[in-house]
Amino acid sequence: DVKVTQSSRYLVKRTGEKVFLECVQDMDHENMFWYRQDPGLGLRLIYFSYDVKMKEKGDIPEGYSVSREKKERFSLILESASTNQTSMYLCASSEGDRQAFFGQGTRLTVV
Amino acid sequence: EDQVTQSPEALRLQEGESSSLNCSYTVSGLRGLFWYRQDPGKGPEFLFTLYSAGEEKEKERLKATLTKKESFLHITAPKPEDSATYLCAVRGGYQKVTFGTGTKLQVIP
Repeated sequence: DVKVTQSSRYLVKRTGEKVFLECVQDMDHENMFWYRQDPGLGLRLIYFSYDVKMKEKGDIPEGYSVSREKKERFSLILESASTNQTSMYLCASSEGDRQAFFGQGTRLTVV
Repeated sequence: EDQVTQSPEALRLQEGESSSLNCSYTVSGLRGLFWYRQDPGKGPEFLFTLYSAGEEKEKERLKATLTKKESFLHITAPKPEDSATYLCAVRGGYQKVTFGTGTKLQVIP
């Protein structure tokens, strides 16, 4: 079974902190994604990566950056956390045009 | 810009009462339409992929169909354990996957 693992299920951070969300996949997938999910807004794409060291902006990249130094790992960075970044963050991976597999999600609260 | 619209937003069914969920989409060059199930507090769980108009996929009480403009998820004789939010997504060019806001299904015993 494909496994996508996010480093934390729940996270509480203070405004202005630099926050790292880590995601690891074990199926050698070329594509990896970061989404945030908010009530009424659905899943919105923040960034995605189709290869090591490659990244593309999604629909809402402002306030975020990403890093993909190894194929299996995709990190989401909140440079200076703000309360409007309180959300559920979901990482996913996929191969070619096939379906994406999701991690369990990280519920981030910024206070 | 790729767009996905799901309806209804919420659906309440009696156990055994069949119904359909709708997913309308606009995408430049469809490279896959996906259905997921999401339980509260968890990541989406993959159900089906459809690639071309006329294609159908089935799994237990669920059947997904695809036309050039929309997809339907048919639920036959649902059970309470089918209660979840069902998400539709499309892949257009360049690997980008766009999701709808989902249909929250509640099946009452």
